[in-house]
Amino acid sequence: DIVMTQSPDSLAVSLGERATISCKSSQSVLYSSNNKNYLAWYQQKPGQPPKLLIYWASTREFGVPDRFSGSGSGTDFTLTISSLQAEDVAVYYCQHYYASPPYTFGQGTKLEIK
Amino acid sequence: EVQLVESGGGLVQPGGSLRLSCAASGFTFSSYWMHWVRQAPGKGLVWVSRINSDGGITSYADSVKGRFTISRDNAKNTLYLQMNSLRAEDTAVYYCARSPPWDCYMDVWGKGTTVTVS
Repeated sequence: DIVMTQSPDSLAVSLGERATISCKSSQSVLYSSNNKNYLAWYQQKPGQPPKLLIYWASTREFGVPDRFSGSGSGTDFTLTISSLQAEDVAVYYCQHYYASPPYTFGQGTKLEIK
Repeated sequence: EVQLVESGGGLVQPGGSLRLSCAASGFTFSSYWMHWVRQAPGKGLVWVSRINSDGGITSYADSVKGRFTISRDNAKNTLYLQMNSLRAEDTAVYYCARSPPWDCYMDVWGKGTTVTVS
């Protein structure tokens, strides 16, 4: 099974500053035949279900603010929030959907305001 | 409005059974693959099971294989999770989610239903 590891586990950033979350997979999630990275990012606010932010490692879901961006390839990925807003306080998860299940999630990164 | 609504959660004794349902609306249910994902209290997300569009392909996490069965009724726009031989460690909020066929990122989620095994 592919293991997804996020860092840090928690992060405190000032409003308006950049927040960066890392996600590493234990094996590549890049499918060579289509050059796509099978990696998604989700946001979960307290008491709410997860919300898809990014898929294919860098494609923003419809309606997601452009301050959210995803990057990386192979085994190393990053979610960046360019200018933190109060409503971005949440737990963020990466998830692979490469090849066969299980489609494992990272352990989550809790983002707070400094 | 695209919507998924779970039901069927509750309190059950160890060794017992429950059947969760997920009612879909606002989209062509039969065109999407569906998943169950769970979250134990204060913990992270764990993928549980997947079913393809016509129900012919199913997959399970090792932790539930042989105990849980995913199914769907496309005529009723409903996804199911039959959970047998429940254990304390199955206690969680269970979410249903949809994904495009083959590309299993989950773009729509229900609000979840709580299962407590005690």
